[in-house]
Amino acid sequence: QVQLQESGPGLVKPSETLSLTCTVSGDSITEYYWNWIRQAPGKGLEWIGYIYYSGDTYYNPSLKSRVTMSVATSKDHFSLKLSSVTAADTAMYYCARGYCSGESCFFAYWGQGTLVTVSS
Amino acid sequence: IVLTQSPGTLSLSPGERATLSCRASQSVTSNFVIWYQQKPGQAPRLLLYGASSRATGIPDRFSGSGSGTDFTLTISGLEPEDFAMYYCQQFGGSPPNTFGQGTRLEVK
Repeated sequence: QVQLQESGPGLVKPSETLSLTCTVSGDSITEYYWNWIRQAPGKGLEWIGYIYYSGDTYYNPSLKSRVTMSVATSKDHFSLKLSSVTAADTAMYYCARGYCSGESCFFAYWGQGTLVTVSS
Repeated sequence: IVLTQSPGTLSLSPGERATLSCRASQSVTSNFVIWYQQKPGQAPRLLLYGASSRATGIPDRFSGSGSGTDFTLTISGLEPEDFAMYYCQQFGGSPPNTFGQGTRLEVK
């Protein structure tokens, strides 16, 4: 059973760096694309970016200047850092496993999400 | 690629047929248009991928169609548990994936 679990501080001060970790169980992190997605309260889904197990990354251009992702294959987790946060970064943050083949791509497994509030 | 979903809210009764639209700003390969369902307080759940394949455990009343820039999620015979938010997603453009803004399917 593949499971993903987000963890990290629920409250971050403005201008500081948001740091989250997604722990993967029941699967090998040395495959697939590992994604971060966020959802502001009452809003839709925004893809933040992905990291491949090799360390290759692709970030949403709208957030690229502030995002850093890393992966720890030996420990089966991957991480997100978002710098210089503002209230607009308040959201539920999800991690998800991305699978791509010649036939399709999709996010079949998601974490339950972790709410991060940016406030002083 | 920008995905625009319509309507924003769809009000229907159980047993009715729901038709949800997802329009892309550029052509997208149908295999790379994905549909998710999200219920309050839950993470999104994969519904459809690969143009018309249903994810594990998804009943056959859910189906997808479309090509080019226009895609449709159809739910035939709404069940009470189907009332939720629905999102489409595309892969392959720039950025490599984006979500639509969602359609809320509510009980009439």
